[in-house]
Amino acid sequence: GNSVTQMEGPVTLSEEAFLTINCTYTATGYPSLFWYVQYPGEGLQLLLKATKADDKGSNKGFEATYRKETTSFHLEKGSVQVSDSAVYFCALTANSGGSNYKLTFGKGTLLTVNP
Amino acid sequence: DAGITQSPRHKVTETGTPVTLRCHQTENHRYMYWYRQDPGHGLRLIHYSYGVKDTDKGEVSDGYSVSRSKTEDFLLTLESATSSQTSVYFCAISLFGGSTDTQYFGPGTRLTVL
Repeated sequence: GNSVTQMEGPVTLSEEAFLTINCTYTATGYPSLFWYVQYPGEGLQLLLKATKADDKGSNKGFEATYRKETTSFHLEKGSVQVSDSAVYFCALTANSGGSNYKLTFGKGTLLTVNP
Repeated sequence: DAGITQSPRHKVTETGTPVTLRCHQTENHRYMYWYRQDPGHGLRLIHYSYGVKDTDKGEVSDGYSVSRSKTEDFLLTLESATSSQTSVYFCAISLFGGSTDTQYFGPGTRLTVL
């Protein structure tokens, strides 16, 4: 079946540090890959996505590249801020039969950035 | 922000009582989804809808039913709530449900079953 594995947290960094959150996946066919972010007390927001191999998604200084050969979609940011503190979810869409696609999530990684 | 509202935002109920959660969208998106979020599990799909009166089960559908009589509303019902259904419930929408489509999430409903 389809699955997403992301590094377990929590991750604690100092402001301006480099961030990497690893994400690997298993899927049939050609999935699209997503990173969602959840700030405290809120719903999930799309951070970035990539729909085919070698695509790079980017937003708000975050980047992730769709690596088909390593089945990975690692999230990176060069210099984190306190406001980046949140839970980050890696996810993929894959066909669930017929024409319907389902979103499969990793378990989430809590990031805390200290001033 | 996508026009998605969920009601109620918080609810406390007792075991064995029926509970209905509502998701309302103003985006005219075809697909709607219900997820639950639990520590250590991420988000798991309960049910989804691909059109008015068209619904299907997700991976954790036992104990839940859904209905969609209008494009804009998707209801999730717990026929007889149990403590294991204490969770945060999120509604999501997407335009056409394809592989590259983005799902947009509502603010969530925190449900506690005593």
